[in-house]
Amino acid sequence: DTAVSQTPKYLVTQMGNDKSIKCEQNLGHDTMYWYKQDSKKFLKIMFSYNNKELIINETVPNRFSPKSPDKAHLNLHINSLELGDSAVYFCASSQVRGNTIYFGEGSWLTVV
Amino acid sequence: SQKIEQNSEALNIQEGKTATLTCNYTNYSPAYLQWYRQDPGRGPVFLLLIRENEKEKRKERLKVTFDTTLKQSLFHITASQPADSATYLCALEWNNQGGKLIFGQGTELSVKP
Repeated sequence: DTAVSQTPKYLVTQMGNDKSIKCEQNLGHDTMYWYKQDSKKFLKIMFSYNNKELIINETVPNRFSPKSPDKAHLNLHINSLELGDSAVYFCASSQVRGNTIYFGEGSWLTVV
Repeated sequence: SQKIEQNSEALNIQEGKTATLTCNYTNYSPAYLQWYRQDPGRGPVFLLLIRENEKEKRKERLKVTFDTTLKQSLFHITASQPADSATYLCALEWNNQGGKLIFGQGTELSVKP
């Protein structure tokens, strides 16, 4: 009965590859997010979707493309991976925008 | 632009004492402020939310204060336990940010038995 689940948990891949991280929430929330946490532990918002509509799109390289097929799912696709993309990516959801956020367990991406 | 600062140095305290963590912000006051706990290898977990018109919020051994004059929030854990050891993040949302929650860098708390 995991609230926000994301897969894979660990991902090691070579530079230049394309990879996706999937996220699903069973909380019935309308808003979903992708956050990136770097090696210095800073947690920064990347994207936010409200009921499948993109509402927050931070300054993120366009190699990163979120896709929300329905309000319970928000996937993150990354093209042409670079070393600097290595980080932990957290999916999250909230009932309304800006309210209490429920995070997934994170996806550890390592680009070699 | 808004900036959030938390003590970057780890806080080490003895079991049973009160831990106090600080979150400072610049510019105008946020609509509300939240505190999260993050354990190693896990996602952040929500603890408390306090709104700009509230001075204090409590939940069991946790207490949050919000001083809009000082532009500061304090997070207290009373009767601390080793199980309270974790990184604590404050997060703020400002009214004109379209629902964007901005996180501080977190303060690592270590409670020694």
